[in-house]
Order: sequence, then structure tokens, then C-alpha cells
Amino acid sequence: GQNIDQPTEMTATEGAIVQINCTYQTSGFNGLFWYQQHAGEAPTFLSYNVLDGLEEKGRFSSFLSRSKGYSYLLLKELQMKDSASYLCAVKDSNYQLIWGAGTKLIIKP
Amino acid sequence: SQTIHQWPATLVQPVGSPLSLECTVEGTSNPNLYWYRQAAGRGLQLLFYSVGIGQISSEVPQNLSASRPQDRQFILSSKKLLLSDSGFYLCAWRGGPADAGPQHFGDGTRLSIL
Repeated sequence: GQNIDQPTEMTATEGAIVQINCTYQTSGFNGLFWYQQHAGEAPTFLSYNVLDGLEEKGRFSSFLSRSKGYSYLLLKELQMKDSASYLCAVKDSNYQLIWGAGTKLIIKP
Repeated sequence: SQTIHQWPATLVQPVGSPLSLECTVEGTSNPNLYWYRQAAGRGLQLLFYSVGIGQISSEVPQNLSASRPQDRQFILSSKKLLLSDSGFYLCAWRGGPADAGPQHFGDGTRLSIL
């Protein structure tokens, strides 16, 4: 079966750094996406990795290791507005997205 | 630029009543279109997707159906709603097969069944 695992919830302090991990087992791999979803809102696209390595976008970075079936999203200089759920999704061999359940990130002052 | 519109934003319906949610995309042609449902505190469940007019693939057998009467219009329907149909419904689009980009979501419809 296809499976994506993320921690259910994480807590971090404003101004700090947090790493949200995602491991996956899918039938094929055609890219991995990270989305941010604030409570009651739709998900918004954050990053995309298809090759191994680190992709950096401002305060957010995403890393991928295809051999390990592993990715992480790194958030630096945390702000209160970063409190949200972060969804990991993998595009499988049929080009369909398999979604993780999301990680709820709580930022404390 | 491309935009996606989904309505209504919220809906309260009695059990057994019909449902029609509509989604339209602007600024692109022949998009892939998706309907998802998200239960409270849970991940996204793919309900239907479409790669073209009249082409619907169902991922979860249930009392919901989808139609794509026009290239950029996607409709989610039900003849008789169940309590278990409550949730947050999201429409999304992506470019066609040659597009490796992400899916982009509408604002969602929060459906409550009483």
C-alpha cells in the first residue's frame, strides 16, 4: 500500500527553527510537495522537490532523499503566522498525489 | 494568471437533501480538476478527478458524483446527503499531463449535514 507519515503535532518558539519530517512509501515517485494550511482555509503550495537535495525559498527550505524515502520542511525565524498545518504529498507513478495527514505546528511566543 | 473559484463557502443541509457544489477555473485550458474532502483534523481524501470534459475518475465509491460539463467547470453532486458527508470540500486544478507543477486549491466549501 501507499503510505506517508508525518508527526501529528509539533510545538516551537517564535524566532526559532523547526524541522517537520515526512517519510513515504509509494508506488513510484514523481515529486514531493509541501503545502501550508491555516485553520479553516485551503492548502497553499510551499515547495516542490523532485531531485535529491535542498530547495530554499526565503525562510522555508525543503529537503529530499529519494533513496531513503524521506523529506523535511525547515522553517527558520519562526513567526506566529507560521502556526498552521503542513501537508506532505507525493506524486506516484500514476501522477496522482498521495497526501499525508499533516503536521499541526503550534508557535509559542 | 490562473484563478479558481469555488462556491458556496459554507452550506448547511438536512440529511437526505441534494447537493451541488461548483468550481470554475480561469486563465488556463484543459486543466486537470480534482475534488477532495477533508474531515476535521484529517488529511485530504481524493474523491474525483478529471483530465477532460466528460472524463471523471472516482476514487471512493459513495453517494457522491462529479461532472465536468465544460473544460473549466467541475461540479460535485449528491442526490441524498448522509451525515457522514459533512466536511470541508476542496476543488483543485493542475495543468495537463505535461505540467509537473503543484495542484492549486479553491477556498473550499464547509458542508454541515444536520
